[in-house]
Amino acid sequence: GQQLNQSPQSMFIQEGEDVSMNCTSSSIFNTWLWYKQDPGEGPVLLIALYKAGELTSNGRLTAQFGITRKDSFLNISASIPSDVGIYFCAGPTGNQFYFGTGTSLTVIP
Amino acid sequence: DSGVTQTPKHLITATGQRVTLRCSPRSGDLSVYWYQQSLDQGLQFLIQYYNGEERAKGNILERFSAQQFPDLHSELNLSSLELGDSALYFCASSVQGAGGDEQYFGPGTRLTVT
Repeated sequence: GQQLNQSPQSMFIQEGEDVSMNCTSSSIFNTWLWYKQDPGEGPVLLIALYKAGELTSNGRLTAQFGITRKDSFLNISASIPSDVGIYFCAGPTGNQFYFGTGTSLTVIP
Repeated sequence: DSGVTQTPKHLITATGQRVTLRCSPRSGDLSVYWYQQSLDQGLQFLIQYYNGEERAKGNILERFSAQQFPDLHSELNLSSLELGDSALYFCASSVQGAGGDEQYFGPGTRLTVT
């Protein structure tokens, strides 16, 4: 089945640093969604992307929809402790909805 | 708060039993999705309903079933439970249920099968 691969799998960074993570797919997606999940909680939608090449920001978060439509990137600037969590990319293809493997972010104060 | 509610928050039951998880979507959302998240696993899409009708099916076991009622709330029924069914079960809702819809997730139900 479809698989969305995220890298890196985990990151340990100092507070204040910028973070970059990406998501790749073997298939074309027409929508990319980025979610953050805290332990034991439901994923929270951060950013939605609908067009190849689109660059969208939400506060310190910026995400891009790759030109090939097979990848997407999420950047977090000036990280803070509450950025800790697991970040998932997600998207629909056909009548299925897929989530990526996740990037676990740890911010060291 | 996403506006999606799920009950119960925790459920502990024995193997072989049957349980029902409940989800109420955000006001105005017509579509409900169910996901399973096991330890160290990502979110696995189970099934989607739109306005009372099944719209898409993912990796849902035959022992599991779901339905969406006229008031748009949904229930996920898990039967003949096995230890491996222990997981977090999330419900999400969206406005139209179309492929590009943004899904909003509930807080989840943690199921423990002993």
